[in-house]
This record gives sequence, C-alpha cells and structure tokens, in this order.
Amino acid sequence: DTGVSQNPRHKITKRGQNVTFRCDPISEHNRLYWYRQTLGQGPEFLTYFQNEAQLEKSRLLSDRFSAERPKGSFSTLEIQRTEQGDSAMYLCASSEVGRGPQHFGDGTRLSIL
Amino acid sequence: GQQVMQIPQYQHVQEGEDFTTYCNSSTTLSNIQWYKQRPGGHPVFLIQLVKSGEVKKQKRLTFQFGEAKKNSSLHITATQTTDVGTYFCAASNDYKLSFGAGTTVTVRA
Repeated sequence: DTGVSQNPRHKITKRGQNVTFRCDPISEHNRLYWYRQTLGQGPEFLTYFQNEAQLEKSRLLSDRFSAERPKGSFSTLEIQRTEQGDSAMYLCASSEVGRGPQHFGDGTRLSIL
Repeated sequence: GQQVMQIPQYQHVQEGEDFTTYCNSSTTLSNIQWYKQRPGGHPVFLIQLVKSGEVKKQKRLTFQFGEAKKNSSLHITATQTTDVGTYFCAASNDYKLSFGAGTTVTVRA
C-alpha cells in the first residue's frame, strides 16, 4: 500500500534561496492539499488541487509561493526568496473527492539559515 | 474560515487512567475529523463525525459530536504508552481542514 510520498524529507537552505518540494499522492486520489505546520500548532491549509486545477489558495500563501500539479498526479510547491519565517514542516495530503479523510505524507521540514 | 479551539493543550496521564480532550467552535460545524500525530510523525486520520449527537467508538477511544454540532470530544480509557502523541480535531468543509492546536498527550508508566 503506497501512501503519500514527499521529498525531500529535510531541506536546509540560506535565506533568499529558492526551494522546491515534491508530493506524490495516493494514485487514485483526485484531490491534493498542501499544509504548513509549525511547532506546537496544527497544520494550516495553504492550497488544494482537484486533478490539475488549483481551486483555492490561502492568504498565507504569499506571492513567493507557487504550487503546481501539471498532470493531475504529483505536485510541487516552490518558495522563492525564502525568509526565516518560512521555516516549518510542509505537509502534503491527498483524498478522494468529498469530505472524507485526508491522507498525509511525512512532510518536508524546511530550515532557513 | 471555521476555527476550532482545543483544550487542554497538554495532558499528562498516568498509564491506566482515563482522560478526555475537547474541541469547541463558535459556529456550527458540518462535520469534524480527528487525527493523531505521533512525535516526529504525520497526522493520521482517526474518525469523522457528521451527525448531531453522534458517538463512535474505536476500542478504547470514544468520539462524540455535540447536539448543537459546535463541540466534540475524544475520551480515552485505560491509557497506554501507545496513546502518546498529539490529537487534533479539524473542522471540515468540502475540501479544507481547519485544525485546532491539538492536545499533546504524555503517559507516565
């Protein structure tokens, strides 16, 4: 049973650099979500896709953030000109259409030096 | 968006004891989901509650949705060391989960 896969698991970069994360959802899931989680908090919604269409972006997602899901399968999240405040765990989740459970990946932990 | 508040933030439990964690909203929720996140892990889906007054059990875990659909609770009986982790409730609309800050549970053997 292949779950949601994210890579890299850890990313350390200098402030001002660009970073890109990848998420491979469960294959039969139409929906893919990105969340951000900081220490001691629950995940915060960033954006979601249904197939290849990006249907909502949170106000947390500044113009330095962009997400794509070009073929409706894997997705990438890019952060440009990283800032200290971008340090967090970036979680990807996928689900079937509807209000059912979301299945999370192990996340990418981003550390900005 | 919908916001949910969880109490307590931390729960220190003696092994074998029971405890309850609560999730409250100022607005009526269409449904609520519960997730567990082990230390260093990712959130794992536990249950979804949809109906007013709904009660669901999973072994030692009992989940309840309030009659007004503004609150929910998770009760764990006979706590074990495997119950360690953070329990999140999340308000669900059609696609987005709005998580509470979680209750972090530690267990004293």
